[in-house]
Amino acid sequence: AQTVTQSQPEMSVQEAETVTLSCTYDTSESDYYLFWYKQPPSRQMILVIRQEAYKQQNATENRFSVNFQKAAKSFSLKISDSQLGDAAMYFCAYRRGSGTYKYIFGTGTRLKVLA
Amino acid sequence: EAQVTQNPRYLITVTGKKLTVTCSQNMNHEYMSWYRQDPGLGLRQIYYSMNVEVTDKGDVPEGYKVSRKEKRNFPLILESPSPNQTSLYFCASSPQIGTSGTLTEQFFGPGTRLTVL
Repeated sequence: AQTVTQSQPEMSVQEAETVTLSCTYDTSESDYYLFWYKQPPSRQMILVIRQEAYKQQNATENRFSVNFQKAAKSFSLKISDSQLGDAAMYFCAYRRGSGTYKYIFGTGTRLKVLA
Repeated sequence: EAQVTQNPRYLITVTGKKLTVTCSQNMNHEYMSWYRQDPGLGLRQIYYSMNVEVTDKGDVPEGYKVSRKEKRNFPLILESPSPNQTSLYFCASSPQIGTSGTLTEQFFGPGTRLTVL
């Protein structure tokens, strides 16, 4: 069975600094997708970034980028130039590539941004 | 406006009283799903549906029922709620994977806070 592990329950970062959130996963599949979601205090789930496993290039979205290490089954999220609005819960998620809509989420990392 | 709606947003009920949480999307998405979110456990998938009349179990289906009679609606039914079903529930939808393998994002509803006394 697939699993997703976020080993950092809570992280803090100074405003304008860079922070990296860790995520590891376990799967025997070769075709899958990985995601980072943000959940601010409003509870709304917001997609931050996604990575297709077949793509070697790491995904980037403005200040957000990932370090995707397929062999190590690691998918960390780097937030550059952290802003107060980045404070939220961040969830890593896995989805198998085809034939299913089953998602596996990690337990989340709460990010605090210090002014 | 493209959206996923859930009703009710908040519900307090008592053990054993059947309830339904509705979910509707206006984006003509094939895929729909229900999740529950609990502190320290993240989001766990309850059921999902890949099209009308096609549903499958997620990781925590016990105590829940779903149906997909129409493409836009995917209600979550608790036949006999118990206190351990107190949680924050999310409905989500997504279009199917494109022919090029492109996966578009999953759209989430605003959440339903359920308390079972």
